[in-house]
Amino acid sequence: GAVVSQHPSRVICKSGTSVKIECRSLDFQATTMFWYRQFPKQSLMLMATSNEGSKATYEQGVEKDKFLINHASLTLSTLTVTSAHPEDSSFYICSARAQSNNSPLHFGNGTRLTVT
Amino acid sequence: AQSVTQPDIHITVSEGASLELRCNYSYGATPYLFWYVQSPGQGLQLLLKYFSGDTLVQGIKGFEAEFKRSQSSFNLRKPSVHWSDAAEYFCAVGANYNTDKLIFGTGTRLQVFP
Repeated sequence: GAVVSQHPSRVICKSGTSVKIECRSLDFQATTMFWYRQFPKQSLMLMATSNEGSKATYEQGVEKDKFLINHASLTLSTLTVTSAHPEDSSFYICSARAQSNNSPLHFGNGTRLTVT
Repeated sequence: AQSVTQPDIHITVSEGASLELRCNYSYGATPYLFWYVQSPGQGLQLLLKYFSGDTLVQGIKGFEAEFKRSQSSFNLRKPSVHWSDAAEYFCAVGANYNTDKLIFGTGTRLQVFP
């Protein structure tokens, strides 16, 4: 079946540095990918929609300059957390949808970001 | 506005017992409903979904869910729980099957005792 790979699975960084998270669709082409954020013991909140070849669409309240999204190919979207702060520590999950109609969302295994 | 409520934050059952996880939604039109399972530190796996037709849907791992429009509910059930079912379960609603914006509930953590 379709697989979405996320890398890294865990990352620890110092405050003020930037971290890049990759989301790859392994056996299908994804015109659209989605980035979610999950705080401990809370639900997933959609951060942004990543569209191949165009700018990402951010949800209300999400800082686009802080969470940079790039979807340069049909199989890869990246989320860069810039100038990370401890409050950015969270679990980030991506999902991807294939190009065909009625294709379901496939989720990655997530990235645990800890900012010290 | 769409919303999803999972009233039970944490449920504990014995292995072999039956299970029902509650989900209530708020949506003006016919909703598209999903149940996902998340193991610790993992992504989400789709258990089942409802779009139309038979209101009782079968999913993977022996789970089923029933859509009840009159109660705005989509409860997840399993007749006999296995220890491997221990995980976080999320109910979600979408405007359509291809929705870009799934609205998730806050999740129910299932603990299974031997």
